[in-house]
Amino acid sequence: EAGVAQSPRYKIIEKRQSVAFWCNPISGHATLYWYQQILGQGPKLLIQFQNNGVVDDSQLPKDRFSAERLKGVDSTLKIQPAKLEDSAVYLCASSLDWTALEAFFGQGTRLTVV
Amino acid sequence: QQQVKQSPQSLIVQKGGIPIINCAYENTAFDYFPWYQQFPGKGPALLIAIRPDVSEKKEGRFTISFNKSAKQFSLHIMDSQPGDSATYFCAGRSGAGSYQLTFGKGTKLSVIP
Repeated sequence: EAGVAQSPRYKIIEKRQSVAFWCNPISGHATLYWYQQILGQGPKLLIQFQNNGVVDDSQLPKDRFSAERLKGVDSTLKIQPAKLEDSAVYLCASSLDWTALEAFFGQGTRLTVV
Repeated sequence: QQQVKQSPQSLIVQKGGIPIINCAYENTAFDYFPWYQQFPGKGPALLIAIRPDVSEKKEGRFTISFNKSAKQFSLHIMDSQPGDSATYFCAGRSGAGSYQLTFGKGTKLSVIP
């Protein structure tokens, strides 16, 4: 079974630039999550989709972050403009349903803002 | 507000030792407590999980002990191996209506031969 695919693996940008991350969840998984993992901390939920609808985006900094899930499958997370404090690993995860009993994570995208 | 406090931040044990990682939670609405294991350059992967109506759960060399009254739970790794070297995260799942995981800050475990 193919896992959660993310790209790119690494990205370095200057502050105030924009960046986008892509995620392809496990086939058939209805729920998709984007997490931010700052070095030395646990993953923090940014946004949760159920199919192509947003379930929770209460911790998403909406002035600069946006996310969409196209046709309930792939998802993109965008940051515009980036700040230094956005440097982190952005993890995409998916689960079969909305109960979050098991989330399958991708390898993440390591973003460095300089 | 940090809802799941995890300790220690790092842990070094010798092969065969029994590392113990502790977590405490504040949110009484949590109804499910998973542990995730993360190797460098990889995403976290579910290791073992427990519900609050159970005091202990074992899967292979991994055991969760749960104390509902104290709002604490811990992970024990029996006969630890160098391959267990990873970062471990505890988490709590909020209940019905909005199932979300809140993670602790993680414990970096090193098992030396």
